[in-house]
Amino acid sequence: EIVLTQSPGTLSLSPGERATLSCRASQSVSSSYLAWYQQKPGQAPRLLIYGASSRATGIPDRFSGSGSGTDFTLTISRLEPEDFAVYYCQQYGSSPPRAFGQGTRLEIK
Amino acid sequence: QMQLVQSGAEVKKTGSSVKVSCKASGYTFTYRYLHWVRQAPGQALEWMGWITPFNGNTNYAQKFQDRVTITRDRSMSTAYMELSSLRSEDTAMYYCASSPYGDDAFDIWGQGTMVTVSS
Repeated sequence: EIVLTQSPGTLSLSPGERATLSCRASQSVSSSYLAWYQQKPGQAPRLLIYGASSRATGIPDRFSGSGSGTDFTLTISRLEPEDFAVYYCQQYGSSPPRAFGQGTRLEIK
Repeated sequence: QMQLVQSGAEVKKTGSSVKVSCKASGYTFTYRYLHWVRQAPGQALEWMGWITPFNGNTNYAQKFQDRVTITRDRSMSTAYMELSSLRSEDTAMYYCASSPYGDDAFDIWGQGTMVTVSS
């Protein structure tokens, strides 16, 4: 069973800055089946990135994903006020469970 | 547009069961996987299991294997998640989510159903 560890737990930045979020897997994620989700308070998660680096429909290009194997990164190039939220990574390529990371909270500095 | 609409909030007693529904619209129900994910207050997302609506095959997380049952009604384009032997730790928001295949990200989510368990 793959375990995903996200870092940092909380990231404090200002609008306009660049955010870099990390997700590390306990074993290699097959075929880069790694997704990133954004969740705002009181809302369901929203898919941002799939296949480690492909943006989901309607996601702005300031969001980008990279990585392979066991190390993955979500980058937000220039933070907008609406980007402050909790972000989760998820692996969906190996046998179930479809594990999620514990989340990174992106807060306004 | 593709959409999942879940049933309303539930309050249950310890030891009882809860059944949450998830109605799909805007796509062919049998063509996509349907997952259940829960989130305890202030906690991370936790995958519970999936169903393939076409044939009813299921796959459950080991943690919930003994207590969860996911079913579907093809005629109603609706999936159900039943959790038994409820305990206070089961108090959470329960989401259904859909993916095109088993090995795919969850691109459609329901609005969530809050289940509160108390004695």
